[in-house]
Amino acid sequence: KQEVTQIPAALSVPEGENLVLNCSFTDSAIYNLQWFRQDPGKGLTSLLLIQSSQREQTSGRLNASLDKSSGRSTLYIAASQPGDSATYLCAPKRGIFGNEKLTFGTGTRLTIIP
Amino acid sequence: DTGVSQDPRHKITKRGQNVTFRCDPISEHNRLYWYRQTLGQGPEFLTYFQNEAQLEKSRLLSDRFSAERPKGSFSTLEIQRTEQGDSAMYLCASSSKTDLNTEAFFGQGTRLTVV
Repeated sequence: KQEVTQIPAALSVPEGENLVLNCSFTDSAIYNLQWFRQDPGKGLTSLLLIQSSQREQTSGRLNASLDKSSGRSTLYIAASQPGDSATYLCAPKRGIFGNEKLTFGTGTRLTIIP
Repeated sequence: DTGVSQDPRHKITKRGQNVTFRCDPISEHNRLYWYRQTLGQGPEFLTYFQNEAQLEKSRLLSDRFSAERPKGSFSTLEIQRTEQGDSAMYLCASSSKTDLNTEAFFGQGTRLTVV
């Protein structure tokens, strides 16, 4: 059974700083891993999809890395802004037919201090 | 295409009543997922469809829960005889039909409160 851990559970940083969010997972047999953000009371917004064959994926100020063999992924946010305040969730996906669910951790609640 | 759509956004019901939620996936996405999220937790998988076939169900999906996707397009999630423990956000997601390595897109969720 896949288990996902995200550390830290909460993080507060001043605006403009770079930061790293960590995600670890127990089952390395994954097809891909997605990072999402979730604003309070809202659904999930996809940020990045990193495939199992990739090491990194970038979108704007965001960079996700994946070390599948060690069961780790990181999300790097550059030059943080108050609008980045949200909960960030990682979700590895197991890709065997009929078993394609995403498994989520409890997330990292990020607060950017203006 | 406006993304994954869920209806209603909020539902308040009395304990013991039945409720039904609807999810409209992104057009031509054949994979559709239901998740449940309680406060402070990550989403938990409930069930998954490929077209109209329900391929996987979580043990969280008790006998009171049923999901359908009759024509492989929209899906419904019904909860019978609701309990206070059913209070949660119910999230729907969809992804592409041709490739496992595609993004899952989520709707805004249906917030259920059982009083």
